[in-house]
Amino acid sequence: EPEVTQTPSHQVTQMGQEVILRCVPISNHLYFYWYRQILGQKVEFLVSFYNNEISEKSEIFDDQFSVERPDGSNFTLKIRSTKLEDSAMYFCASQARTEAFFGQGTRLTVV
Amino acid sequence: GDSVTQMEGPVTLSEEAFLTINCTYTATGYPSLFWYVQYPGEGLQLLLKATKADDKGSNKGFEATYRKETTSFHLEKGSVQVSDSAVYFCALKYSGAGSYQLTFGKGTKLSVIP
Repeated sequence: EPEVTQTPSHQVTQMGQEVILRCVPISNHLYFYWYRQILGQKVEFLVSFYNNEISEKSEIFDDQFSVERPDGSNFTLKIRSTKLEDSAMYFCASQARTEAFFGQGTRLTVV
Repeated sequence: GDSVTQMEGPVTLSEEAFLTINCTYTATGYPSLFWYVQYPGEGLQLLLKATKADDKGSNKGFEATYRKETTSFHLEKGSVQVSDSAVYFCALKYSGAGSYQLTFGKGTKLSVIP
């Protein structure tokens, strides 16, 4: 069964460093998303991406964040200069028609 | 803004016990409602959904009914199994929109013991 895959499963980085979280969506899907969950808090929407551009973004998704679909298969989330409060589980999702499929998440720890 | 409130966990039940996880929402308009499940080490999986008032979503023995009058979508299962141990998330989105922007609750961790 097709699935969304995310790498790495766990990333530790120093504050101020750039990180790139990677996702491979299901191949025929059209919409792509990033969500995050800070430990003990709600899963929060970050951004949606359609037709090679951002379609919606939340207040969380500031200038430190960017997304790309560089090669038609990967979908990446970049955080330019990580802060301690960026530590969270980051989920990628992709959607074909009526259902979104989520990856297993990347746990980002900023130290 | 829109929000989803779930009962606090963790919830620990014995096998074959009855499960209820409460979920209420605040939203303008008429959202669709969802329950997602996350098994250990895996991603979020859609468990069931309901798109309009009085709809009942069901899957794998789980059920939830969209109650507009009480703005609730409580998850129930008559007899839980050890394999149901997971984190359960209630979520909403607006019907009809192409985008799948979801608003989630905090999640409720369920542990079922033999």
